[in-house]
Amino acid sequence: NAGVTQTPKFRILKIGQSMTLQCTQDMNHNYMYWYRQDPGMGLKLIYYSVGAGITDKGEVPNGYNVSRSTTEDFPLRLELAAPSQTSVYFCASSSGSVAYFGAGTRLSVL
Amino acid sequence: GQQVMQIPQYQHVQEGEDFTTYCNSSTTLSNIQWYKQRPGGHPVFLIQLVKSGEVKKQKRLTFQFGEAKKNSSLHITATQTTDVGTYFCAGLETSGTYKYIFGTGTRLKVLA
Repeated sequence: NAGVTQTPKFRILKIGQSMTLQCTQDMNHNYMYWYRQDPGMGLKLIYYSVGAGITDKGEVPNGYNVSRSTTEDFPLRLELAAPSQTSVYFCASSSGSVAYFGAGTRLSVL
Repeated sequence: GQQVMQIPQYQHVQEGEDFTTYCNSSTTLSNIQWYKQRPGGHPVFLIQLVKSGEVKKQKRLTFQFGEAKKNSSLHITATQTTDVGTYFCAGLETSGTYKYIFGTGTRLKVLA
């Protein structure tokens, strides 16, 4: 059982480039989340979704976009990468209680 | 907006000593969860507390939810080197949004 799968695991971007971080879950969970974790810091909520077609902003949404066309997938889009977006990005899914996290995507913007 | 703070930020203990981390929310919470993140890893769910004043135990770990549902604590008895990691609380506001806000975390180091 895969759980929450994030791709890629690592990525280096140049300033101004764009990319999509992929997140897929196979547990049929309604709730999905994107968090970022800066080195030595806590997790900040970027966006979350309570079901297909429904998304909402978290604590730090600026510079990011999301979509939720299916229950399984919740991609995170960076349009114009900036050095401040260097971080580890975690996707999580939940049925309403326990949240299961993916292994994370380590992103560097240089 | 909702803020969740944890203290201390760091804690170094000798193996066998006890450890406690405290979590405080700026708003009343519907429930609170605790997660553990090993160095280089991802957060892993430990427990969820829902009721005011609730206390739950998992072996050497004791979790408590405050009477006002604005604070919580995690206590580890007789720490072991396997307890090393960062402990996060995550609070859900009483709003039905399923928008969990994570605390700032407490990084625990256990010296053998």
